[in-house]
Amino acid sequence: NAGVTQTPKFRVLKTGQSMTLLCAQDMNHEYMYWYRQDPGMGLRLIHYSVGEGTTAKGEVPDGYNVSRLKKQNFLLGLESAAPSQTSVYFCASSYEGRTILLGETQYFGPGTRLLVL
Amino acid sequence: GENVEQHPSTLSVQEGDSAVIKCTYSDSASNYFPWYKQELGKGPQLIIDIRSNVGEKKDQRIAVTLNKTAKHFSLHITETQPEDSAVYFCAADAGGTSYGKLTFGQGTILTVHP
Repeated sequence: NAGVTQTPKFRVLKTGQSMTLLCAQDMNHEYMYWYRQDPGMGLRLIHYSVGEGTTAKGEVPDGYNVSRLKKQNFLLGLESAAPSQTSVYFCASSYEGRTILLGETQYFGPGTRLLVL
Repeated sequence: GENVEQHPSTLSVQEGDSAVIKCTYSDSASNYFPWYKQELGKGPQLIIDIRSNVGEKKDQRIAVTLNKTAKHFSLHITETQPEDSAVYFCAADAGGTSYGKLTFGQGTILTVHP
């Protein structure tokens, strides 16, 4: 049981290049999330998905796109990278689809460090 | 939307002392308040959480208290050890049908000196 995995671990891009970050979870979770982490700003939600085939915008969605073609995978795309997108990106998942508690624990991946020059 | 404020931003203690980190939130509909620990180069890991139907929860050296009236919650670590050194984040959900979305505080860098 690997939990949440992310690839790649580190990437350097030039301004204007595109790339896709992959998140995979083996916990059969319904919900998946993409965050970015910047110094002094905590974690901010970029996009999220509440099930296979669904996506929704979070707090800072501009410049990013996502897809959830399979339940276990959540992809984050940067079509034209900008230096402002230099950050550490974390994926998380939650909710096994059974009884909803007051709040669901999110499980995080190890992160992808992205540098845009 | 939800706003979560976390204080202090840095906290330095001696081994064996207690550490307290405080958070306030704005949305009275919030029901779930987790705390995450993030070690260098790793993803955040849940260490304790509390739901709105309880006021306090304890797990060995870690405890969390919740005051829904005042809209604040706190993390208490007793008998701190060097391995407690990390960044700690509080978070709050949006309540209702929020699909588990969380709003995070800005983080506290805790340093425990041997």
